[in-house]
Amino acid sequence: QQQVKQSPQSLIVQKGGIPIINCAYENTAFDYFPWYQQFPGKGPALLIAIRPDVSEKKEGRFTISFNKSAKQFSLHIMDSQPGDSATYFCAASMRTSGTYKYIFGTGTRLKVLA
Amino acid sequence: EAGVAQSPRYKIIEKRQSVAFWCNPISGHATLYWYQQILGQGPKLLIQFQNNGVVDDSQLPKDRFSAERLKGVDSTLKIQPAKLEDSAVYLCASSLRLAVSSYEQYFGPGTRLTVT
Repeated sequence: QQQVKQSPQSLIVQKGGIPIINCAYENTAFDYFPWYQQFPGKGPALLIAIRPDVSEKKEGRFTISFNKSAKQFSLHIMDSQPGDSATYFCAASMRTSGTYKYIFGTGTRLKVLA
Repeated sequence: EAGVAQSPRYKIIEKRQSVAFWCNPISGHATLYWYQQILGQGPKLLIQFQNNGVVDDSQLPKDRFSAERLKGVDSTLKIQPAKLEDSAVYLCASSLRLAVSSYEQYFGPGTRLTVT
């Protein structure tokens, strides 16, 4: 119940394409769903996040779609650029003992071809 | 605002040796996390502190791993003795208290450990 399943494992798109990364969870206690972007040799950086009371959130070229009934959420990258080539992690978070606990997906390695 | 600092950035040791990692979180962040990220996988929580108290250490291999956060600021993670399967990137992250209604956690650059 603590798992977050992420797919696909890797993704290659042409510049301008719209890569979509999907995640699924089981525990309904999760109430915050962030996406992180990680470049080689760097720590993950928060990209965009959503709460379950919202079905969609956009920030720049990044959009999260959230389906509470299906317990699924996805990241869409509009007009993808070679600079978006990185590993993307979804996560699910829940309150615990006065703070937040995060469970991460296994990651998606995205390559955007010029 | 300075980010999460970690040192060293890289470490190579032989199995059965000991190693320690250091983390200095963002100023004012009460929650500190240590994660293990094995190549090709997502970060896995090892231990979580709220100030200087442990919130969750359920996935910390306590026979060989230890961590402390004295004075509720910086933290050290130690492995003794190291095994080959401990080769990974060790990430430190911090976040504000729940009461401030901020969920974001900020990661340091990580320490890449290679055990030979």
